[in-house]
Amino acid sequence: DTTVKQNPRYKLARVGKPVNLICSQTMNHDTMYWYQKKPNQAPKLLLFYYDKILNREADTFEKFQSSRPNNSFCSLYIGSAGLEYSAMYLCASSPGGARAEQFFGPGTRLTVL
Amino acid sequence: QQKVQQSPESLTVSEGAMASLNCTFSDRSSDNFRWYRQHSGKGLEVLVSIFSDGEKEEGSFTAHLNRASLHVFLHIREPQPSDSALYLCAVSRPNSAGNKLTFGIGTRVLVRP
Repeated sequence: DTTVKQNPRYKLARVGKPVNLICSQTMNHDTMYWYQKKPNQAPKLLLFYYDKILNREADTFEKFQSSRPNNSFCSLYIGSAGLEYSAMYLCASSPGGARAEQFFGPGTRLTVL
Repeated sequence: QQKVQQSPESLTVSEGAMASLNCTFSDRSSDNFRWYRQHSGKGLEVLVSIFSDGEKEEGSFTAHLNRASLHVFLHIREPQPSDSALYLCAVSRPNSAGNKLTFGIGTRVLVRP
């Protein structure tokens, strides 16, 4: 089973409120990623966990937090949502190896009002 | 910083006619190239991965890599209406931490019956 699950699939949030998105995989992959995709833009890597080590991209460092309580779960946390956070958020997982595939979940569509 | 560009932005083809998509990248040391597809409202589905110059076929999808010219192409053989989707090219460099992928904006393909 190469399924990556994401919850919720759709999320409506108010400006200034926190948002927590969840991703899970049962493939025992050591790396999990979060991407942001806006219409007519390329998917943008926000951060990834390699095992328990979090790596955040420099230009989104302060905007997103994440936690990985165990190998299967990874969350993406926005402390105070702004209108610019409206996007599709894609989670992916990957086993180790330089050429390992990244398996993507169905995404969570976040709308901030 | 790696730049990935895709052309055309959109493509309409008739069912059964070959579709060809182009992806150019900027870092000649890149060694990991993938084509993904995203149907509306769904996650990313990997179609074909290629790591060395030449061709790689997966079902009706063929990737053609020419690193000297900084191009990787995707050919869709005998496309069906169900192949209508957004097609994304992704590139990573050797030894990049976490195999970070840089995506293009995509080519939207419409296959007419």
